[in-house]
Amino acid sequence: KAGVTQTPRYLIKTRGQQVTLSCSPISGHRSVSWYQQTPGQGLQFLFEYFSETQRNKGNFPGRFSGRQFSNSRSEMNVSTLELGDSALYLCASSPRAGEINEQFFGPGTRLTVL
Amino acid sequence: QQQVKQSPQSLIVQKGGISIINCAYENTAFDYFPWYQQFPGKGPALLIAIRPDVSEKKEGRFTISFNKSAKQFSLHIMDSQPGDSATYFCAANQDAGNNRKLIWGLGTSLAVNP
Repeated sequence: KAGVTQTPRYLIKTRGQQVTLSCSPISGHRSVSWYQQTPGQGLQFLFEYFSETQRNKGNFPGRFSGRQFSNSRSEMNVSTLELGDSALYLCASSPRAGEINEQFFGPGTRLTVL
Repeated sequence: QQQVKQSPQSLIVQKGGISIINCAYENTAFDYFPWYQQFPGKGPALLIAIRPDVSEKKEGRFTISFNKSAKQFSLHIMDSQPGDSATYFCAANQDAGNNRKLIWGLGTSLAVNP
C-alpha cells in the first residue's frame, strides 16, 4: 500500500506570495492532518480534515487554510507569505478522525520564503 | 510555552550503548504519550507509545518508562546501532472531546557512532 505523498517536495517563494501544498493520504484513510515543523518550535498542529470538513484547528492565523476533497486528498494554502512561514509542512493521514495512534506522515514539503 | 519539554537536544552514543531521551509534561489531562522517529527527508514515524496506566512498555530494543507522579517519561534505546541515528520526538495527546491533537517536544538528534 502506497504511503502518504506530498507535492511538491520543495518550494521557494517570496514574501507576499501565496502557496498551495498538496497531500494524498494512504488509500482508505479519510482523515488528513497538517503540521508545521521548524527547529525552534518543533511540530505544531495546523488542522485536521475528515470527510471534507475541518474538525480541528491549531493556533495559526487565518492566512493558513485548507480543504479536503471527496477522494480524501487535501490541500493547504498559505496566503501573504512571511519569512517566518519557512518550514517543513507535514501531512499525516489516518483511517478515522482523531486516530492519533494510527497516523502516518508523509515526507513533507520544504517551503522557503525569501 | 512548551507544554512538553524534551532533553537533551542532541545525543552522541557509541554503538552498543544505551540512548536515553527524557520528556516532561505539565498537563495532567494528557492520556497518550508516543515517541516518533524521523530520518532526514522523511516524516516522523510512530515508534512506541504508552498510556498513563502502565509504568513501562518495551518493544524490541525500545523501552518507554513512565512516571506519572513526576510527569515525566523517557525513551531508552538498548544496544544502540548506527541505523538508529535519527531525530526522536516525544509527544503527548491532549484530548478535548473530539479535538484530539498531539503536543510535541522539540526533538533530540541522536547520533550513534560505529
